[in-house]
Amino acid sequence: DAGVIQSPRHEVTEMGQEVTLRCKPISGHNSLFWYRQTMMRGLELLIYFNNNVPIDDSGMPEDRFSAKMPNASFSTLKIQPSEPRDSAVYFCASSQRALAGELFFGEGSRLTVL
Amino acid sequence: DAKTTQPNSMESNEEEPVHLPCNHSTISGTDYIHWYRQLPSQGPEYVIHGLTSNVNNRMASLAIAEDRKSSTLILHRATLRDAAVYYCIRTNTGNQFYFGTGTSLTVIP
Repeated sequence: DAGVIQSPRHEVTEMGQEVTLRCKPISGHNSLFWYRQTMMRGLELLIYFNNNVPIDDSGMPEDRFSAKMPNASFSTLKIQPSEPRDSAVYFCASSQRALAGELFFGEGSRLTVL
Repeated sequence: DAKTTQPNSMESNEEEPVHLPCNHSTISGTDYIHWYRQLPSQGPEYVIHGLTSNVNNRMASLAIAEDRKSSTLILHRATLRDAAVYYCIRTNTGNQFYFGTGTSLTVIP
């Protein structure tokens, strides 16, 4: 299995631009998580899907952030418009058994907003 | 809200055992205890998890206190490749996988 696949690995954009991060979870996994990591705030949970349905989006910082999971094999995290404070590494993780199971993380997408 | 407390950093000599503590004094009966670690420039990786009983796997052991208010991750022989940030996490339906700040482990050759 290829593991959790994220794209792009690196993104540099200018303030105000739209950013879309993509994630392909491991086949057969029914839970998907989006995290953001910065030096200041550590690893923050943004949103959690179970069976393609958003269960908890309380970590999404503001309306500029949105996440979708149109099917079991694909999820997106969109930032529109982007701001310099959104610069971070964004991780996607998937799990077969939700809260009792093991999370498998992707390699992350490093976003820099100038 | 991680609801776990860990020391910010610890050091260990190579090839010696390491005991990483975690306090989760407000844990409920249905909460699992998970440990993950994050190597430099990588995503977190699973180490071990448990509910009530002590657990062992090829990477580590997890010792859970009888009252479940604390746990200890045990690396039996630290290697340089074990240098990482170790996260202790509680999970239940209202607290899914919040990572907190973790313990940064330094392994001294």
